[in-house]
Amino acid sequence: AQKVTQAQTEISVVEKEDVTLDCVYETRDTTYYLFWYKQPPSGELVFLIRRNSFDEQNEISGRYSWNFQKSTSSFNFTITASQVVDSAVYFCALSVVGNEKLTFGTGTRLTIIP
Amino acid sequence: EAQVTQNPRYLITVTGKKLTVTCSQNMNHEYMSWYRQDPGLGLRQIYYSMNVEVTDKGDVPEGYKVSRKEKRNFPLILESPSPNQTSLYFCASSLGSPDSGNTIYFGEGSWLTVV
Repeated sequence: AQKVTQAQTEISVVEKEDVTLDCVYETRDTTYYLFWYKQPPSGELVFLIRRNSFDEQNEISGRYSWNFQKSTSSFNFTITASQVVDSAVYFCALSVVGNEKLTFGTGTRLTIIP
Repeated sequence: EAQVTQNPRYLITVTGKKLTVTCSQNMNHEYMSWYRQDPGLGLRQIYYSMNVEVTDKGDVPEGYKVSRKEKRNFPLILESPSPNQTSLYFCASSLGSPDSGNTIYFGEGSWLTVV
């Protein structure tokens, strides 16, 4: 069975600080995909990134970066120079071969204090 | 604009009164799915559909029905809603199965309260 753990339930940081959201996953499959979604206060789910298990390269997109480490089964998300608009709930999710769904973590609520 | 559209976005209903939440996507996606989001539980899959007339249960299908008569539509039916079905519901779609790494796109969510 698969599992995604987001141990940080809530995080608050002051604007312009950097913040890292942790995601730890469990699966026995060698082929899998990892995702991050953002849920702003308005409630919709916004896709941020997808990573496959064979690509351990870190990715940077503007102020966002992702660190994928198979050795520790982690796929952490860092926001640099945070802004108030980054305030949201962030979900990490996993899909594996043969499983027609995403397995979600319980989410991390990030609050950026102006 | 590519999107997944759900209706209604907000609904308060009474126990036992049948309701349908509609979902439509305009991306010609084959895969569609329903999730519910509850505090402390993240999102859990209710049902999914790999194509027209092909549906299957997810992790929490009890109390729900779905149908996929057309590719673009995937309604969620609560035949006899109960208070434990109070939740935020998301419809989702993707080009193909998520187990092939296809990105899943979500609708805006439907807030359902059963009293």
